[in-house]
Amino acid sequence: QKEVEQDPGPLSVPEGAIVSLNCTYSNSAFQYFMWYRQYSRKGPELLMYTYSSGNKEDGRFTAQVDKSSKYISLFIRDSQPSDSATYLCAMKEDDMRFGAGTRLTVKP
Amino acid sequence: DGGITQSPKYLFRKEGQNVTLSCEQNLNHDAMYWYRQDPGQGLRLIYYSQIVNDFQKGDIAEGYSVSREKKESFPLTVTSAQKNPTAFYLCASSKTGVSYNEQFFGPGTRLTVL
Repeated sequence: QKEVEQDPGPLSVPEGAIVSLNCTYSNSAFQYFMWYRQYSRKGPELLMYTYSSGNKEDGRFTAQVDKSSKYISLFIRDSQPSDSATYLCAMKEDDMRFGAGTRLTVKP
Repeated sequence: DGGITQSPKYLFRKEGQNVTLSCEQNLNHDAMYWYRQDPGQGLRLIYYSQIVNDFQKGDIAEGYSVSREKKESFPLTVTSAQKNPTAFYLCASSKTGVSYNEQFFGPGTRLTVL
C-alpha cells in the first residue's frame, strides 16, 4: 500500500462545474497537508496548505483535512479552463510525501 | 526575480553515459531537493541537502549522485548505474528551521535515454 493514494484520473468537467479532488493516506503522523498545481511540462506550484485538521478557503479553492479518516480534499468552485492542470496532494511530518497527481481538464 | 532555474530543459543520453542536471536558486534557501516524476507515481525523493557540503539519500538514490559546494547550487548526476533514467526531474528548495517549509520547484528537466 502506498503511503499516499490519489486517483490519477483523468478528470474532465465542463466550465463552471464544482471539482472535487481527493487523497487518502496511511501515516497518522502527517501534520502538514498541501495541494500543488502543475501545468503541463512545468514544475509544481503550491496552491494551498493546511496544518492539521479543518478547512481552509482561498478564493474559488477550499482545502479540507479529516485526520480521523486520513482523507484530504480540494474543492474548486466555478472551474475555469485555466484550472486545467495536474493537482498533486502532499503531506509532511519530517519528510514530504506526494500523491501521484490527478489530471484535470476543464472544457469551455 | 527570485526563483529556481534548471537546465537543460530537455536532455538526451546514450546508454552508458553519465549526465549532470543543473539546479540553481537565488531564494537564499538552505535546503535543496531532487525529485523524479514518472507517470502515475507522483514525485519521489532522490537526494536532499539541508546545508552546504552535506546531503542525504532519499528514497531512490541508487544510480544518482549530488554535490552541494555552494548554497545556490545543487547539481544532480545521473550515472550509468541508473537502469531506468528516463523521467522528468524536478529540483526544489525551501527554508529550514521553521515548522512548515514550503518547497519551491524549478521548471524541471526531461531526460530521455536513447
